[in-house]
Amino acid sequence: GENVEQHPSTLSVQEGDSAVIKCTYSDSASNYFPWYKQELGKRPQLIIDIRSNVGEKKDQRIAVTLNKTAKHFSLHITETQPEDSAVYFCAAVYGGATNKLIFGTGTLLAVQP
Amino acid sequence: EAGVTQFPSHSVIEKGQTVTLRCDPISGHDNLYWYRRVMGKEIKFLLHFVKESKQDESGMPNNRFLAERTGGTYSTLKVQPAELEDSGVYFCASSQDYRANTQYFGPGTRLTVL
Repeated sequence: GENVEQHPSTLSVQEGDSAVIKCTYSDSASNYFPWYKQELGKRPQLIIDIRSNVGEKKDQRIAVTLNKTAKHFSLHITETQPEDSAVYFCAAVYGGATNKLIFGTGTLLAVQP
Repeated sequence: EAGVTQFPSHSVIEKGQTVTLRCDPISGHDNLYWYRRVMGKEIKFLLHFVKESKQDESGMPNNRFLAERTGGTYSTLKVQPAELEDSGVYFCASSQDYRANTQYFGPGTRLTVL
């Protein structure tokens, strides 16, 4: 079935440390994996995405890795800052003519100053 | 470029009443999606429009939910009659081309059914 598991559900780190959030998906046909950041009371914002023909993608302090064989993908945030505090959602697209997103349950990241 | 907008931002209604949520996608985006997040759980897909046509409504919970997109521009999602379990945040997202995948989200409508 369509399922994305996300861990951990909460993550607390000290400012400057790294944070890693992991997701597992079930449909081997998924080919697109976005990550959204949602600050309190705001809309989910796309922060990085990766397609299945790529193993890793970086954008400044944020990186995403994808292991298609294991059906795992992870978000890595280095040198965390208090403004990184938010809920992070991973998602996998289920294709066909819809490309609907199947989301993980979210990770509440708290960066302690 | 204006982002996806949703109205209202909050709605509090009593069980049995009707509520209509509105979404205005990014101009030129043919694809419009509705999602819902019930407290503490994942964001779940409800349905997908391509222009004015429903492409996939497999996530709609039941026939108390009716989505429309007349003219292929804005969309409405009506809940009638509302039940307690309908409470949550309803998000709308749009994308230019479903093959491009990138979906841009609106701020959501927080619906509370008492």
